[in-house]
Amino acid sequence: EAGVTQSPTHLIKTRGQQATLRCSPISGHTSVYWYQQALGLGLQFLLWYDEGEERNRGNFPPRFSGRQFPNYSSELNVNALELEDSALYLCASSLGGWAKNIQYFGAGTRLSVL
Amino acid sequence: RKEVEQDPGPFNVPEGATVAFNCTYSNSASQSFFWYRQDCRKEPKLLMSVYSSGNEDGRFTAQLNRASQYISLLIRDSKLSDSATYLCVVNRVYRDDKIIFGKGTRLHILP
Repeated sequence: EAGVTQSPTHLIKTRGQQATLRCSPISGHTSVYWYQQALGLGLQFLLWYDEGEERNRGNFPPRFSGRQFPNYSSELNVNALELEDSALYLCASSLGGWAKNIQYFGAGTRLSVL
Repeated sequence: RKEVEQDPGPFNVPEGATVAFNCTYSNSASQSFFWYRQDCRKEPKLLMSVYSSGNEDGRFTAQLNRASQYISLLIRDSKLSDSATYLCVVNRVYRDDKIIFGKGTRLHILP
């Protein structure tokens, strides 16, 4: 069975551009989570989608946004890129809401902003 | 005070030794707890859930102390392949669902 898949693996952008990152959850999982992991730092929660709705959002500016499609795949958009947006962006999926549900991670998209 | 705190390490431990590290959490409404392992430049992977009564999986033992608000991970007979960063994860359901990852504890097993 396929795990969580993310694309692209690497993404290089310049300041001010927009980046779109994609995530396909494990089959049967309805929840998708996005995290940012900057070099040397811990995972910072960005967004949680479940059944097509945004359920929770971390402390990130509005230029970080996303959506979840009817097939439960998800997209993360980062507008007006800044140098400090350079990080590994990880997507995870789980069965439904998060209280007791284990999250399974994709391999991530490494975003470099020049 | 941070919601989830871990000693960043690194813990440098000889192969075969036993090592333990803790993770403290500040919100008593926290409901579920996990340990994840993250290898360098890789994604986190679930190591084990942490149950109230404590649980064991091979060489790994996880415990929860609700009174003192910490979880622990014990690794016995450590192997070189145990070298990784261990992330503590706390799920809270209080007013809003929230999941918090600790910054991780780095473990180096020395030959």
